[in-house]
Amino acid sequence: ETGVTQTPRHLVMGMTNKKSLKCEQHLGHNAMYWYKQSAKKPLELMFVYSLEERVENNSVPSRFSPECPNSSHLFLHLHTLQPEDSALYLCASSQAGTRGDEQFFGPGTRLTVL
Amino acid sequence: AQSVTQLDSHVSVSEGTPVLLRCNYSSSYSPSLFWYVQHPNKGLQLLLKYTSAATLVKGINGFEAEFKKSETSFHLTKPSAHMSDAAEYFCVVTFLLGFQKLVFGTGTRLLVSP
Repeated sequence: ETGVTQTPRHLVMGMTNKKSLKCEQHLGHNAMYWYKQSAKKPLELMFVYSLEERVENNSVPSRFSPECPNSSHLFLHLHTLQPEDSALYLCASSQAGTRGDEQFFGPGTRLTVL
Repeated sequence: AQSVTQLDSHVSVSEGTPVLLRCNYSSSYSPSLFWYVQHPNKGLQLLLKYTSAATLVKGINGFEAEFKKSETSFHLTKPSAHMSDAAEYFCVVTFLLGFQKLVFGTGTRLLVSP
């Protein structure tokens, strides 16, 4: 595997379910990010982990709970979601602290909340 | 504050004709600027980036962009469109906050007709 991978690619869940999204990066980066992409809105940064510590929580509701067990893996735990949480969730990684270095994105998980 | 305005939500061109996607930015700092492309059901891929070196930046697939500080613009161009260029394009201003923070525009969908 190369780059940034995300599983599952598609997820349908009810509002009472609990599920998790997984992201793995194979690039040796030390920062990882969760973004939400909704139709007709700019990408929204949700969480940032740098050196495995959460450094940004962009006013995200508590029904989204991130976890970064090591520098290669990032999870987003979901519980009691709302239909408006349906979106494409993108994971990215980069080398923290380097100006101008790009973020590498995974293919995303398409989430539908019924 | 950092922000990005993409002036067109949709741009339609014919195959073989030039492409121009417009972007204006606002930044309190000397900015780094990126263009990302997103094909359907795919993650974002970096096309090119400006980080205060040459103002004319060449990217992948024949795209280039020119940083114009006096106009606060970073427009994306390509001399001749190809069918495979049909995708969504995002202009991004970035700054360092201990991690690389990306501020995305709302995107421009490029349509290419035969």
